Amino acid sequence: AQTVTQSQPEMSVQEAETVTLSCTYDTSESDYYLFWYKQPPSRQMILVIRQEAYKQQNATENRFSVNFQKAAKSFSLKISDSQLGDAAMYFCAYNSGGSNYKLTFGKGTLLTVNP
Amino acid sequence: EADIYQTPRYLVIGTGKKITLECSQTMGHDKMYWYQQDPGMELHLIHYSYGVNSTEKGDLSSESTVSRIRTEHFPLTLESARPSHTSQYLCASRLGNTDTQYFGPGTRLTVL
Repeated sequence: AQTVTQSQPEMSVQEAETVTLSCTYDTSESDYYLFWYKQPPSRQMILVIRQEAYKQQNATENRFSVNFQKAAKSFSLKISDSQLGDAAMYFCAYNSGGSNYKLTFGKGTLLTVNP
Repeated sequence: EADIYQTPRYLVIGTGKKITLECSQTMGHDKMYWYQQDPGMELHLIHYSYGVNSTEKGDLSSESTVSRIRTEHFPLTLESARPSHTSQYLCASRLGNTDTQYFGPGTRLTVL
């Protein structure tokens, strides 16, 4: 079974600084997808960024980028120029390339942004 | 934000009551999912559906049941609520063979 591990229960960053959230996963599959979701307090879970395992190029979405190391099974999220609105619980998730497309989530990292 | 809706957003109810949590989406997505999020924020899949009249149990055993009579609607029912059912329930949907799931705002259930 696939597992997703987020080793940092909490992280904090100063506004305008850069922070990296860690995620590792375990799988025997070669075709899969990885995601970072953001869940602000009492608000909807939204997709931040996604990565297809067969693509070597790291995904980027504005201030958010990933460092995808397939051999090491590592998928970290870098947030540049952190803003107060980035404060949230961040979940790393794995989705196999099979037909069921069930998401397996890590336990989350609570990010605090200090003004 | 995605067009997926959950009602009620908050529910406080006594033990033994029957409850139904509603989830609807207007995106025409065929695949739908229910997740249970515990107080520690960890998410567990409890039910999913590939389409109308299709339902499957997820990775976490749950006493709840689901139905999928219409594509846009995926309600979750607890026949007899217990304090152990206190949790946040998140509904999600996905289109066809695309890989991204879109989440609703969640229902926070408290059973006294």
